[in-house]
Amino acid sequence: NAGVTQTPKFRVLKTGQSMTLLCAQDMNHEYMYWYRQDPGMGLRLIHYSVGEGTTAKGEVPDGYNVSRLKKQNFLLGLESAAPSQTSVYFCASSYGEGYNEQFFGPGTRLTVL
Amino acid sequence: SQELEQSPQSLIVQEGKNLTINCTSSKTLYGLYWYKQKYGEGLIFLMMLQKGGEEKSHEKITAKLDEKKQQSSLHITASQPSHAGIYLCGADNSGTYKYIFGTGTRLKVLA
Repeated sequence: NAGVTQTPKFRVLKTGQSMTLLCAQDMNHEYMYWYRQDPGMGLRLIHYSVGEGTTAKGEVPDGYNVSRLKKQNFLLGLESAAPSQTSVYFCASSYGEGYNEQFFGPGTRLTVL
Repeated sequence: SQELEQSPQSLIVQEGKNLTINCTSSKTLYGLYWYKQKYGEGLIFLMMLQKGGEEKSHEKITAKLDEKKQQSSLHITASQPSHAGIYLCGADNSGTYKYIFGTGTRLKVLA
């Protein structure tokens, strides 16, 4: 049982390049989330999904797109990376409706030059 | 929108000392979660509080939610170096499933 995994762990991009971050969970969770963590800002929700085929905007969605084609995967895309997107990105999943904790992945450290 | 404020921002204590971290919400909390993050790693769930006045304990860590459900505290008894890390409180933003987090409290325990 791997829990929540994220690929890649580290990445360096040049401004304007694109990339996709992959999140996978093997716990059959309905809900999945993408966060970014910046110094002094805490964790901020980018996008989330309440089930396969659904996505919704979080607190800071601009510059990112997501897809949830399969229940176990949640992809985060950057179409044209900017230095302001340099951050640590965390994926999380939870069982679904109701009060339940989120399970977090180990994070992806992204630097945009 | 709802905001979570944590205090203190950082804390350095001597091993064996007790400490308390606070989390204050601008609105009524639907559910309050405490997580711990080791430097450079993901978040690990500690406890969840739902009801006003609720208190939960795990090993040497106790979390409480006040009766008005707007403030929570995390108390560590007889701190150890293994308690070092960043403690974050999180909540469901006014019942929308858009979770929000506090900015975290960095804890260092000196041996």
